[in-house]
Amino acid sequence: AQSVTQLDSHVSVSEGTPVLLRCNYSSSYSPSLFWYVQHPNKGLQLLLKYTSAATLVKGINGFEAEFKKSETSFHLTKPSAHMSDAAEYFCVVSDPGRDDKIIFGKGTRLHILP
Amino acid sequence: EAGVAQSPRYKIIEKRQSVAFWCNPISGHATLYWYQQILGQGPKLLIQFQNNGVVDDSQLPKDRFSAERLKGVDSTLKIQPAKLEDSAVYLCASRDHPGWDTIYFGEGSWLTVV
Repeated sequence: AQSVTQLDSHVSVSEGTPVLLRCNYSSSYSPSLFWYVQHPNKGLQLLLKYTSAATLVKGINGFEAEFKKSETSFHLTKPSAHMSDAAEYFCVVSDPGRDDKIIFGKGTRLHILP
Repeated sequence: EAGVAQSPRYKIIEKRQSVAFWCNPISGHATLYWYQQILGQGPKLLIQFQNNGVVDDSQLPKDRFSAERLKGVDSTLKIQPAKLEDSAVYLCASRDHPGWDTIYFGEGSWLTVV
């Protein structure tokens, strides 16, 4: 069955230091994978998506993620955190062969320390 | 391109009252989703439509929740009677083609049941 595990519910980093948000998935097919960001009281915004092209995906605001099939991971990174990055981040898996079912991880709250 | 529109943005009702939320997806998008997001949790799929047919409503509490997508365009989600635990954000999302396409989310309808 499909599943998504975000390994950390909270991550705190200092401004200017690297960000790593971890995501592991389980899928029977070749999935498409997404990272969404949700700022307080706002809707979900797409950061980036993997759809079987390049395994290293670049997104908005300096974020990128690498699809590693052998590790079933899709971790989100950013070289240098900014205060405006403080938000909730969701890893999402979509299985094209399973009625287009979309599964969300539980989310990771990113805190940026001044 | 206009985004996914939702209304109302905010609603406060007493328990046992009814409420309805409306969603207008991006023009031409065949797939429409309703998610429930309780504070501090990831979104949970309530119902998925493909055009005007239901693909998945396995997590929809059918004794109190109903949804329809007449003519395969906009959709309405209704709760009757509401319970305290229904307090959440109700997110509507749409997608053009299943599998690989980006999922676009509305800003959400915030429900407080008192």
